[in-house]
Amino acid sequence: GAVVSQHPSRVICKSGTSVKIECRSLDFQATTMFWYRQFPKQSLMLMATSNEGSKATYEQGVEKDKFLINHASLTLSTLTVTSAHPEDSSFYICSATDRANTEAFFGQGTRLTVV
Amino acid sequence: GQQLNQSPQSMFIQEGEDVSMNCTSSSIFNTWLWYKQEPGEGPVLLIALYKAGELTSNGRLTAQFGITRKDSFLNISASIPSDVGIYFCAGHIRGKSTFGDGTTLTVKP
Repeated sequence: GAVVSQHPSRVICKSGTSVKIECRSLDFQATTMFWYRQFPKQSLMLMATSNEGSKATYEQGVEKDKFLINHASLTLSTLTVTSAHPEDSSFYICSATDRANTEAFFGQGTRLTVV
Repeated sequence: GQQLNQSPQSMFIQEGEDVSMNCTSSSIFNTWLWYKQEPGEGPVLLIALYKAGELTSNGRLTAQFGITRKDSFLNISASIPSDVGIYFCAGHIRGKSTFGDGTTLTVKP
């Protein structure tokens, strides 16, 4: 299957700082990328959908000014958690689809801990 | 929004036993996907189903796309200890995936 690389895999940051997470499609052009958040022992909750070259679409309840998403190229999307707080600690996962949009391939995930 | 009901929530089985889990939805999907997630990792795609009625196998795994396009099941035959993990179904339509709550599988040697 297609490869999606997410970086970093783990990050610890201080409360009030910002953290950037990268999601790259390595062997295909990802016209759409999705960002999910997963709390322990729970399912993946979609945060936002980003299409290359346009603004991201956020799910209800997700603060767009707190979770900044940029999808400037067909192979890279970034999620920046701004002014992070301990309650933002979670597992963040990206996925990407190609133009056919029939499957989604996931990155390895990023474990964010805000202290 | 669309929701998926995945069952069972958890399973504790003996090595060698067969496993079955399923997902149902009130909405139709164009694609059904089954993923496995291990601790600290992102989900890994196991099987993708594209047509209503489709039955697909991947080694010891078999999955079917329901005729109504509102359900799917995943079977694992002759389970082994490395099958442990959380299995998620996902319905995919218009480029967006909706996930079930997952089935946690524990396999006792």
